Amino acid sequence: EAGVTQSPTHLIKTRGQQATLRCSPISGHTSVYWYQQALGLGLQFLLWYDEGEERNRGNFPPRFSGRQFPNYSSELNVNALELEDSALYLCASSTGLAGGHEQYFGPGTRLTVT
Amino acid sequence: AQTVTQSQPEMSVQEAETVTLSCTYDTSESDYYLFWYKQPPSRQMILVIRQEAYKQQNATENRFSVNFQKAAKSFSLKISDSQLGDAAMYFCAYMETSGSRLTFGEGTQLTVNP
Repeated sequence: EAGVTQSPTHLIKTRGQQATLRCSPISGHTSVYWYQQALGLGLQFLLWYDEGEERNRGNFPPRFSGRQFPNYSSELNVNALELEDSALYLCASSTGLAGGHEQYFGPGTRLTVT
Repeated sequence: AQTVTQSQPEMSVQEAETVTLSCTYDTSESDYYLFWYKQPPSRQMILVIRQEAYKQQNATENRFSVNFQKAAKSFSLKISDSQLGDAAMYFCAYMETSGSRLTFGEGTQLTVNP
C-alpha cells in the first residue's frame, strides 16, 4: 500500500512569491492535515481538510490556505512568502472525522524562501 | 489550550539497553488520545505508539511501551533492547476526541551508542 506522498521535495522561492505544495493521502483516507516544522518553532498544526471541506485551522495568517480535491488529494498555498515561512511542511492523512485516528505522514516538502 | 512538554531535549542509550523518554501534558479534557512519533534523519514522521486515555492498560508495540499516568498527566515512552535504528527525534503528541489536530511536544533527540 502506497503511503502519503508529497511534491515537490524541495522548493525555493523568493520573498513575496507564492508557493504551492501538494499531498496525496493513503488510499481510503479522507482527511488530510498540514503541519509546519520550522527551526526553533517545533511542529505546528496548519490546516485540516476532510471530504473537501476545511475542518480546522491553526494559528496562521490567511495567506496560508489550501483545498482538498474530490480524490482527497490536497494543496497548500502560501501567498506573499516571507523569510520565516522557510520550513519543512508535512502532510498527514487519516480515516474519518472522528478523533483519535492515527495520522500517517508524508516525507515533507522543504520550502526555502530567499 | 492543550500543551505538551518534553523536558529532555537529548537522551542517549547504549545499544541493547533500555531508555525512557518523558512527556507531560496539560488538558482539562477527560478523554483524549496520546501518541509517540519518531522522526529519523530522513525527516519522515513515523507513528510509534498510540494510547487512548479512557483505557487504563498501557499500550505496547514490540520493544516500545508507554507508562500512562492519567492523574499525573504523564505519558512516557520506554524503548527496550535499543537498536541503532532507534536513533531519531521522538515527539509526544496529544489529540482531543472532538477534533483531529495533533499538538506536539518539543521533541527529544535520542542517540544510540554502539
